[in-house]
Amino acid sequence: AQKITQTQPGMFVQEKEAVTLDCTYDTSDPSYGLFWYKQPSSGEMIFLIYQGSYDQQNATEGRYSLNFQKARKSANLVISASQLGDSAMYFCAMREYRSGATNKLIFGTGTLLAVQP
Amino acid sequence: ETGVTQSPTHLIKTRGQQVTLRCSSQSGHNTVSWYQQALGQGPQFIFQYYREEENGRGNFPPRFSGLQFPNYSSELNVNALELDDSALYLCASSQDGTSYEQYFGPGTRLTVT
Repeated sequence: AQKITQTQPGMFVQEKEAVTLDCTYDTSDPSYGLFWYKQPSSGEMIFLIYQGSYDQQNATEGRYSLNFQKARKSANLVISASQLGDSAMYFCAMREYRSGATNKLIFGTGTLLAVQP
Repeated sequence: ETGVTQSPTHLIKTRGQQVTLRCSSQSGHNTVSWYQQALGQGPQFIFQYYREEENGRGNFPPRFSGLQFPNYSSELNVNALELDDSALYLCASSQDGTSYEQYFGPGTRLTVT
């Protein structure tokens, strides 16, 4: 079964508008972390934001915020005031802390975001 | 502080050959994880090295092996290359085996013909 599901293969957004990228997850581990990464065409994975399963508040990092709805098992990324440089592939990922002392990340299939001027 | 570096950037190999990919971790980091990212897919965890020992492995066959050196740099070795091994190989370093902050390198693009 897919542990991370990103249902939007591609998204368009106008420059300066906000956009939400969807992510749902599945785990039986009560302790887990959720991540969003940006991957430009150069290939490097750039860490954007992190949400722990026990965190009470939604994570925010500059223009990025994570809309964490634990009961729905969703962790959507919101990018405010989109910029042309935001055009890239975006991946949602999860780490299950029960798995022990590894940093193994489980990734979704990604969403390709195109910001239009 | 230097980031994570990987070499080579691109590589073309023939089916059945062997390949070695290299990763230098970020300064102060003792843990390296390797991922395989096939075209159009998300990265898949291969294995992790912590203080020169493999301490976690994904669903990859034994022909995928690795090493970590005393300076915490790492190698990924793939034997008997198959066409499906064509992918972007990413390494990520972190401060220890449990830190949530991982820093990825730019990747090595391997093409198997």
